[in-house]
This record gives sequence, structure tokens and C-alpha cells, in this order.
Amino acid sequence: AQKITQTQPGMFVQEKEAVTLDCTYDTSDQSYGLFWYKQPSSGEMIFLIYQGSYDEQNATEGRYSLNFQKARKSANLVISASQLGDSAMYFCAMREGPTNAGKSTFGDGTTLTVKP
Amino acid sequence: DAMVIQNPRYQVTQFGKPVTLSCSQTLNHNVMYWYQQKSSQAPKLLFHYYDKDFNNEADTPDNFQSRRPNTSFCFLDIRSPGLGDAAMYLCATRPRNQETQYFGPGTRLLVL
Repeated sequence: AQKITQTQPGMFVQEKEAVTLDCTYDTSDQSYGLFWYKQPSSGEMIFLIYQGSYDEQNATEGRYSLNFQKARKSANLVISASQLGDSAMYFCAMREGPTNAGKSTFGDGTTLTVKP
Repeated sequence: DAMVIQNPRYQVTQFGKPVTLSCSQTLNHNVMYWYQQKSSQAPKLLFHYYDKDFNNEADTPDNFQSRRPNTSFCFLDIRSPGLGDAAMYLCATRPRNQETQYFGPGTRLLVL
């Protein structure tokens, strides 16, 4: 069974609008972490935002926020005020078990295209 | 300033000819990872080092080996590259008690 599911292979958004990228996860661990990364066409993976399983507040980092719904096992990324530079592949990832184990499983990604 | 450096950015090798990819970091992070990412797919963890402790993923082929001679450097050795090993190889680091992984720019490997 896939541990991280990103159901949207591709998404389009108009510049300056908000967009939500979906991510659901599957784990039986109580302690886990959820991440979103951005990968432009250049290939470098850029960390965007992190949510711990025990964090009660949704994580926010500038224009990025993570809509964490623990009971539904979802961790959607919301990008507000989209910019042309946001066009990239976006990966959701999960770390299971203790922090020092640190192994992450990635979803298959969503390609976001921002239209002018 | 680059924090996780991967050399070379592009590597071409011949079928069956050993190749080594390198990763260095200026962050003094304890943990280093190697991922393989094929086109339009998710990165797949090959192995990681927690300090000097080597951790191999169960499904990583024996063809892939790694060395970490010191904190700053980590190498990925592919002993006999096959056509199916053509991919982007990503190195990442993180400090012991933090979650975030810092990725290098990757090395794109082409096998002829």
C-alpha cells in the first residue's frame, strides 16, 4: 500500500490566486512528520514546510500553509497568491518513527503550472 | 553559498563501467542520504548514514555502495551501471535532532 498519495498529477492556477495540493498518508505510527518540497526543473529539492504529528496548529511559512487533518490523514499544501516562479513539481513526504531514524517516503508529486 | 554540493552535475558513463558520484556539505550535519529519482517519479531512498553508521534500504541493489570517509563527504559508487540506473541522484543532509533535509542540486547520470 502506498504510504503517501498525491492524487493530482498536474494542477493549473492563475497567477495571484490560491491553490491547494492534496496529500494523504497512511501510517500506524503515533509519531511522524509531514513535509512538502518543491522541485523546479533545475532538479534541486527545496524544503517548504513541516508539520509534526503532535503539532496542534497548522504549519505556516510565508505564502505556504499546511492544512493538517489528522483524523482524515491528510496534509494538503496551500499556496496563497501564486507566482510564476511557483511553477514546479511539489512532493509530499512523511517521516515515520523516531526523529533520529529520519527516513522519509515521498509521494509521486504534483506538477503545478502557474498561468499569467 | 552552496551548503550541499554535488559533483559533477551531469555524469555520463558506459554500461558496466564503475562510476562514483560525490556529495559534500558545509553544514556539519550528522545525517546524509542518497536518493535515486527517475524521470517524473518520487525520490527513492537508497541508503543513509547516521554519523558513521550505514543504513541500507532493503531493496537497494548490491550494485550500489556508499562511503562516508568523514562528516563532510559522502560517495555513491555504482559498480556496474546498467541502463536502468540512469536517473537523478540526490544527496541530502540534516542535523541529528531536526527534521528538515537539505538537498543538493543532484547529479544526473546517463548510462550509454
